[in-house]
Amino acid sequence: SYVLTQPPSVSVAPGQTARITCGGNNIGSKSVHWYQQKPGQAPVLVVYDDSDRPSGIPERFSGSNSGNTATLTISRVEAGDEADYYCQVWDSSSDHRYVVFGGGTKLTVL
Amino acid sequence: QVTLRESGPALVKPTQTLTLTCTFSGFSLSTSGMCVSWIRQPPGKALEWLALIDWDDDKYYSTSLKTRLTISKDTSKNQVVLTMTNMDPVDTATYYCARTGGYSYFDYWGQGTLVTVSS
Repeated sequence: SYVLTQPPSVSVAPGQTARITCGGNNIGSKSVHWYQQKPGQAPVLVVYDDSDRPSGIPERFSGSNSGNTATLTISRVEAGDEADYYCQVWDSSSDHRYVVFGGGTKLTVL
Repeated sequence: QVTLRESGPALVKPTQTLTLTCTFSGFSLSTSGMCVSWIRQPPGKALEWLALIDWDDDKYYSTSLKTRLTISKDTSKNQVVLTMTNMDPVDTATYYCARTGGYSYFDYWGQGTLVTVSS
């Protein structure tokens, strides 16, 4: 089955840039979606289809995907960005489709 | 606007069957491309996708849990039901339902419901 690998934690000072990676075999051939989850809340979509932003998500959130790594970039990090972030893709085999989530990355704002 | 809400028991005993209902509004599961999934999250752990049902009544399940899961829909009631058999304490988690437009991203999520498995 397809595996997505994320670093358990990333730390960044306010105003700096955070980069959260999501590794997978030839992930560049898939569409990657990113979610932000704050404690006690449901996940919120922040980037879809590698690099698109839903309405209401700040431009500070951006994404890229190539080769074996997708990256969520958060520019000018704010205290309110502290959360867990998950990447997600779809995979398929024969007549079966399934969703894969990464293990999540805890973003700490120092 | 689109909303989803999970409902079901907060506590189940080991070996029992869990039945969860997702009641949604703002879209129809008879509309081409619409899908609803169940996703769970054990306390302090990562998200885990469980199952999906689409507008055409196609169903897909987590490979590791498919023998225990059944997903169904009642389009007239705007509901999706998930049953999970033979519950175990490791199944303790917050269970979410979420919508996708096609096989893509989850754009709307319910608030989640915590299910504890304990005798």
